[in-house]
Amino acid sequence: NAGVTQTPKFQVLKTGQSMTLQCAQDMNHNSMYWYRQDPGMGLRLIYYSASEGTTDKGEVPNGYNVSRLNKREFSLRLESAAPSQTSVYFCASSEPGNTEAFFGQGTRLTVV
Amino acid sequence: RKEVEQDPGPFNVPEGATVAFNCTYSNSASQSFFWYRQDCRKEPKLLMSVYSSGNEDGRFTAQLNRASQYISLLIRDSKLSDSATYLCVVYSGGYNKLIFGAGTRLAVHP
Repeated sequence: NAGVTQTPKFQVLKTGQSMTLQCAQDMNHNSMYWYRQDPGMGLRLIYYSASEGTTDKGEVPNGYNVSRLNKREFSLRLESAAPSQTSVYFCASSEPGNTEAFFGQGTRLTVV
Repeated sequence: RKEVEQDPGPFNVPEGATVAFNCTYSNSASQSFFWYRQDCRKEPKLLMSVYSSGNEDGRFTAQLNRASQYISLLIRDSKLSDSATYLCVVYSGGYNKLIFGAGTRLAVHP
C-alpha cells in the first residue's frame, strides 16, 4: 500500500540552487496538494491541482512552480532556493469533497 | 484574517482529563470539515470527519456550528498516546482545496 510517495525525504541546498520535489499517488485521486509546514505556522497551501491538467495557487506560491504531469504525479519546483524556503514540505492527495486526504511522509528541506 | 484559526496551545492535561479544542473558519461557503492528528515530525492523518449533526468515535466527539462558523473536538479520558497536534481542516468546494489551521498541541502527562 504505497499511498502517497514523496522524494527525496531530506535535502540540503545552497542559496540559488534549484530542485524538484517529486510526489506520486496510486489511489487514482483527482486532487493533489503541496503544503509547507513551519514551526507554529501549521500547513500552508503552496499550490494545488483539482484535476489532471489544472493547477492553482494557494496561500504561499511565490518562489515555487508546479507541474501536474499526469493523474498520478504532481511535482514542486524551486527555481532559485532561498533560506526562507527552509521547511518541511508535504504532498497530499484526495478526492474532492468530504473525503480523507492522504499525505506523503514529507521532505525536510534546508537551504543554507 | 486566516481562513482557519485555532488556539495553538499547548494544552497540558493529566491522564483521564477531558479536553476540548475549538476552531473557527471564515468562509461561510465551506462544505466539509475534518480533524487531523499529527505526531511529531510525521505526516498528518485523518482523525475524524465532522458532520452537521455532530459525531462521536469512541472517546472523541466532534461538533459543527455553521451559524457561528466553528467546529470543536472533545477528547474524554485522555491517554498519554493522545499527545499530538490536532489540526482543524476545512474543505472549500468552491475553490476545491483543503485549508489547514495551525494546529493545537496537546500534551497528556501521567
